[in-house]
Amino acid sequence: SQQGEEDPQALSIQEGENATMNCSYKTSINNLQWYRQNSGRGLVHLILIRSNEREKHSGRLRVTLDTSKKSSSLLITASRAADTASYFCADTGFQKLVFGTGTRLLVSP
Amino acid sequence: EAGVVQSPRYKIIEKKQPVAFWCNPISGHNTLYWYRQNLGQGPELLIRYENEEAVDDSQLPKDRFSAERLKGVDSTLKIQPAELGDSAVYLCASSLSGQAYEQYFGPGTRLTVT
Repeated sequence: SQQGEEDPQALSIQEGENATMNCSYKTSINNLQWYRQNSGRGLVHLILIRSNEREKHSGRLRVTLDTSKKSSSLLITASRAADTASYFCADTGFQKLVFGTGTRLLVSP
Repeated sequence: EAGVVQSPRYKIIEKKQPVAFWCNPISGHNTLYWYRQNLGQGPELLIRYENEEAVDDSQLPKDRFSAERLKGVDSTLKIQPAELGDSAVYLCASSLSGQAYEQYFGPGTRLTVT
């Protein structure tokens, strides 16, 4: 499988805390994306970071990319209960998405 | 604008039975993708279409899986016969040609094989 590896597999925090999840690939990374998936809204695109970028912000999300280490991280600041979901990284290469294994985030009120 | 539509949302079948999933992509999206997502894992691509042509089916188990997109719009993914290990969520996505980085996903079909 070409899937990326994500850690932690599961993360449980309190509202207001920050959540960090990491993603790494064995092969080189092209453009890296992060998706959120929950039962209510399916798989939703969060943010795209291109291979020539090192850091990107979108609202409470901060993404970093280190192409030399073939890894990326997603930081969610000031988490909310509504952030409870599974988060997946996905590398865009050869006209398809190669997803990571996912991190299950639980944010408790 | 309507998103990617999939049906059915849930399907329970006995092993060795056939099953089919249907997908209607976003209007104007020439590229259509089928993914399989096993429990606790990320989605994995099964097949990618450019219009009606399957341009990447390297991960499709061709002994029991088939797909078609006859008019370059709707698509059907079929499994015959289903096995217990086929239990998963089957996701359809679409994008404009050459924009795999901007795929829109349907809600998926959750298949349970008993």
